Amino acid sequence: EVVLTQSPATLSGSPGERATLSCRASQSLSNNLAWYQQKPGQAPRLLIYGASNRATGIPARFSGSGSGSQFTLTISSLQSDDFAIYYCQHYNNWPLTFGGGTKVEIK
Amino acid sequence: QLQLQNSGPGLVKPSETLSLTCTVSGGSITSSSYSWGWIRQPPGKGLEWIGTIYYDGGTFYTPSLKSRVTISVDTSKNRFSLTLGSVTAADTAVYYCARHLGYCSNSRCFGDYAMDVWGQGTTVTVSS
Repeated sequence: EVVLTQSPATLSGSPGERATLSCRASQSLSNNLAWYQQKPGQAPRLLIYGASNRATGIPARFSGSGSGSQFTLTISSLQSDDFAIYYCQHYNNWPLTFGGGTKVEIK
Repeated sequence: QLQLQNSGPGLVKPSETLSLTCTVSGGSITSSSYSWGWIRQPPGKGLEWIGTIYYDGGTFYTPSLKSRVTISVDTSKNRFSLTLGSVTAADTAVYYCARHLGYCSNSRCFGDYAMDVWGQGTTVTVSS
């Protein structure tokens, strides 16, 4: 089973700042990785799939990069709506697994 | 616009069976390009994939739950279901259904198994 390690656990940022979230895999995933945003009381929302493809309706300030075992989600300029928990998820093989999440909070 | 609607009891007694249904609207569950999954989230914790089904009945389950889980599909009612047997307090969670952007058929998989449409979630508490 693939273990996904997300860092940092918590990221404190101010509106307008750049945020960089990392996801490291215990084995190579090619580009079979997705990123989700989750706000309290809501279902997760798909941001990125295929490591770098934005899902429908996702703003351009969200970008994904990486391949193999190291991936990054970048928010180019934090907006008030972006403070949430972010999860990575692999789908390179079965079982599918999620990372433990990074909480992006207001500094 | 595709929507997923969770339904099922919010309270289940220990040792009994949890049963949830996810009804698909605005699209067909038999669409050849997608498959359908269940995910759960214990209170205050992260996400756990439970399993996935394709409309032809092919399934994949997470190993830790495989002995207790069944996911099935009812194409006539455009819905899919989750049953989890012998529940304990550790199964208390919000249960989500979701659509995958990929599918597997005849031992081959296609597309991306990211989840682009999610149901609203059902809070299930296991308690006597």
